[in-house]
Amino acid sequence: GAVVSQHPSRVICKSGTSVKIECRSLDFQATTMFWYRQFPKQSLMLMATSNEGSKATYEQGVEKDKFLINHASLTLSTLTVTSAHPEDSSFYICSARDLRGKGSDTQYFGPGTRLTVL
Amino acid sequence: DAKTTQPTSMDCAEGRAANLPCNHSTISGNEYVYWYRQIHSQGPQYIIHGLKNNETNEMASLIITEDRKSSTLILPHATLRDTAVYYCIVSTGFQKLVFGTGTRLLVSP
Repeated sequence: GAVVSQHPSRVICKSGTSVKIECRSLDFQATTMFWYRQFPKQSLMLMATSNEGSKATYEQGVEKDKFLINHASLTLSTLTVTSAHPEDSSFYICSARDLRGKGSDTQYFGPGTRLTVL
Repeated sequence: DAKTTQPTSMDCAEGRAANLPCNHSTISGNEYVYWYRQIHSQGPQYIIHGLKNNETNEMASLIITEDRKSSTLILPHATLRDTAVYYCIVSTGFQKLVFGTGTRLLVSP
C-alpha cells in the first residue's frame, strides 16, 4: 500500500509555456500533499504544502503565482509551472501524507517529474 | 534547517550489514525519527520510523538510543540495490519534512 504516482515522468517544453504535473495517491486518501524541487547534486527543497479544499501554503521564496497548486480531491494534487523558463528546469517530486499510521503520519513520495525548459 | 547530522558518505561490502548513524541531539519529545532513501533520479522511498523503541520491518532496523539523541539505521544484508542517499529526518509526523544532505551509501561487490 501507500503508493503515490506522478505524471508525466519527464517533460520538455519551450520557454514561456506552462506545464502541469499531477500527483495521485493510489491506495489511500491524502488531505495533505507536498511539492518539492530538487536541483542536481542537491537535496530536496519543500516548495509548498497542498491541502484538499483550501489554498496551498508556500515556502519562503517560492512564487505562488508562478507555481500554481490545486488539490481538488483527496487523491489528486496538481502543480502548474506557469511561463516556464530554463531556470525552472528541475526534478519535481510530490509526497502524500498517509494518516493511517500508528501514532504518526508517514509521507510517501512519488517517483518525480523531470522538467526541462528549453 | 535540518535538525540532524549524518556522515557524508559510507561504504559497505555486499552481504554485510550497513549501519548508518544519525545525530539528533535537539529532538523534541513528540518528534519521531524517520528514515528515507533516494536512489538516483527517483523519489525518496520510506524505510522506517520510530519514537523511542527500536523498530524493525522487512527493509531495515532502527535503533534509537535511550536519550533519543541519536539513532542507527541497520540494513542487515546490504545489496548493490541499496546504494542510495539515506536521509534521517526528525518530525512530529504532522509537520513538513526537512531534508538535509543525507549519507551517500555505496555498496560494493
